[in-house]
Amino acid sequence: QQKVQQSPESLSVPEGGMASLNCTSSDRNFQYFWWYRQHSGEGPKALMSIFSDGDKKEGRFTAHLNKASLHVSLHIRDSQPSDSALYFCAANTGGLSGKLTFGEGTQVTVIS
Amino acid sequence: EAAVTQSPRNKVTVTGGNVTLSCRQTNSHNYMYWYRQDTGHGLRLIHYSYGAGNLQIGDVPDGYKATRTTQEDFFLLLELASPSQTSLYFCASSARDWGEDTQYFGPGTRLLVL
Repeated sequence: QQKVQQSPESLSVPEGGMASLNCTSSDRNFQYFWWYRQHSGEGPKALMSIFSDGDKKEGRFTAHLNKASLHVSLHIRDSQPSDSALYFCAANTGGLSGKLTFGEGTQVTVIS
Repeated sequence: EAAVTQSPRNKVTVTGGNVTLSCRQTNSHNYMYWYRQDTGHGLRLIHYSYGAGNLQIGDVPDGYKATRTTQEDFFLLLELASPSQTSLYFCASSARDWGEDTQYFGPGTRLLVL
């Protein structure tokens, strides 16, 4: 069973609109969370990380973490065509290994 | 920005063939990782390494070997390739072994096993 589950699988948003992505973990040992973004034909690239409960804002992107419910979300404000990509949620337990567990991804398409 | 390169970018082989995928990072990172990406599964960890000569087993290691020859170079070996190993393979590196560390990915190798 996937330990990190993302929803929705795909999402279309009008240019200038808000996109909201969700991620839920089934492992209470996960302490650190990332959002990675992958454009077509490229490798994933870290978008932002969040390690504490609450909101973290970086430009047009806001992540929210609730460790009690094992839920993390990503909100993209004023969506641009360049935001069209596959977004992954990833988590790890900390410690020595650095192993990340990735979700299946959410495909975001920004419609002009 | 961390730099990770992979070669080849595309590879076609036949069932039972031998394949070696190469990865190099030039950022003095200690940790390197091999992932495979398949639709519906996201990214799955095959093997990873703490440093030269070290190898750790990931979550989907069956059918794969790996070797870390230097701090910069990490290789993934498929000695008897099977069609189920057709996938997009990514290498990544990270600087430290703590939870807050970010991984930097290469551009990927697309492998087709006929």
